[in-house]
Amino acid sequence: GGIITQTPKFLIGQEGQKLTLKCQQNFNHDTMYWYRQDSGKGLRLIYYSITENDLQKGDLSEGYDASREKKSSFSLTVTSAQKNEMAVFLCASSITGGDTGQLYFGEGSKLTVL
Amino acid sequence: QQQVRQSPQSLTVWEGETAILNCSYEDSTFNYFPWYQQFPGEGPALLISISSVSDKKEDGRFTIFFNKREKKLSLHITDSQPGDSATYFCAASYNYAQGLTFGLGTRVSVFP
Repeated sequence: GGIITQTPKFLIGQEGQKLTLKCQQNFNHDTMYWYRQDSGKGLRLIYYSITENDLQKGDLSEGYDASREKKSSFSLTVTSAQKNEMAVFLCASSITGGDTGQLYFGEGSKLTVL
Repeated sequence: QQQVRQSPQSLTVWEGETAILNCSYEDSTFNYFPWYQQFPGEGPALLISISSVSDKKEDGRFTIFFNKREKKLSLHITDSQPGDSATYFCAASYNYAQGLTFGLGTRVSVFP
């Protein structure tokens, strides 16, 4: 088995601040994802990466940057936090080429902007 | 425009009853449909999935029924247990390496 570790678990920032979330996986999966979960809005894809140093934009990439410097890690940066923003950011990974396409999720990082 | 729609938004059933969760989609190129279960404070976890070549997939008390022509599917939870209380997400993809498109979820509450 493996695990996805997201840090920090809780992040409080100020309006306009640049904030970075980190994700580590020990599944040895090729593909990693960042999703945003808002209450009542389901999960929306921000960025994904199919291999080290690859980055692909999802539907919600505006306002975010991502970095995949190692196979095991994937970081997400909120470039300018919006006042009253509150959401949970979920990191996930999957095998590329497998026949199930199962995504394994971390527990999430909860962002609050004051 | 929501590509994957789920109904109802919330559902309450008694222990032992069957819970039925509905899902529909827009994009006819979608060919893989997983259902994820999420408990509060946790990330979603894969519960059961189906591909578009099948019309039914069963795993214990959980069954997916799929109607490709109508672009609809449903998740049936038979003999519901209080431990099944969670939010269930229907998702879809045509190339899962590019990520999944999720519905807004159905919150299920099972009372003893």
